[in-house]
Amino acid sequence: SAVISQKPSRDICQRGTSLTIQCQVDSQVTMMFWYRQQPGQSLTLIATANQGSEATYESGFVIDKFPISRPNLTFSTLTVSNMSPEDSSIYLCSVFLGQGTDTQYFGPGTRLTVL
Amino acid sequence: GIQVEQSPPDLILQEGANSTLRCNFSDSVNNLQWFHQNPWGQLINLFYIPSGTKQNGRLSATTVATERYSLLYISSSQTTDSGVYFCAVEAGRRALTFGSGTRLQVQP
Repeated sequence: SAVISQKPSRDICQRGTSLTIQCQVDSQVTMMFWYRQQPGQSLTLIATANQGSEATYESGFVIDKFPISRPNLTFSTLTVSNMSPEDSSIYLCSVFLGQGTDTQYFGPGTRLTVL
Repeated sequence: GIQVEQSPPDLILQEGANSTLRCNFSDSVNNLQWFHQNPWGQLINLFYIPSGTKQNGRLSATTVATERYSLLYISSSQTTDSGVYFCAVEAGRRALTFGSGTRLQVQP
């Protein structure tokens, strides 16, 4: 398994500002992903964080709004830029370990409220 | 892309009752996982079950890959079982596609 931490766990932000969320894993992982869960909804994939190269974004998500970094195999950041109340969501990172298992593990999430 | 449907969307049980949650998916999958999201938002892995049957205490799951569905059984439900149950599948891109979830409320 993997131990995943996210910072911050929650935040309340003002419209127009940006927030960077950190995801740290206790072991090197093959793939990392960022998901968004809007209030009362299911999880939607934002992007795959690629180590050493640009993230791969899903339809409806763009790099200018959600820039992602992955400087090494254990760490990634997601920035929510120029926030509006519609960005209020839980943001979760997940990892795929590889190593003979297909199980994916999720961090505890960052609960973001935009006023 | 692959479609994932869960039923029922909402379920209210009395403590001690049993329940079955269903997940249908539209295409072949490499991976299927069941999660429980607790009231604090944490996603807890219940099962990795692309095929076959597994049991863990009061919970068990069965996936019939050829018929593209999975079932999660909860027996002797407890109030701590309350929350949202998600089925999620992976079909070649490693990222998961989630169903809409079943919201379970277990009353004392």
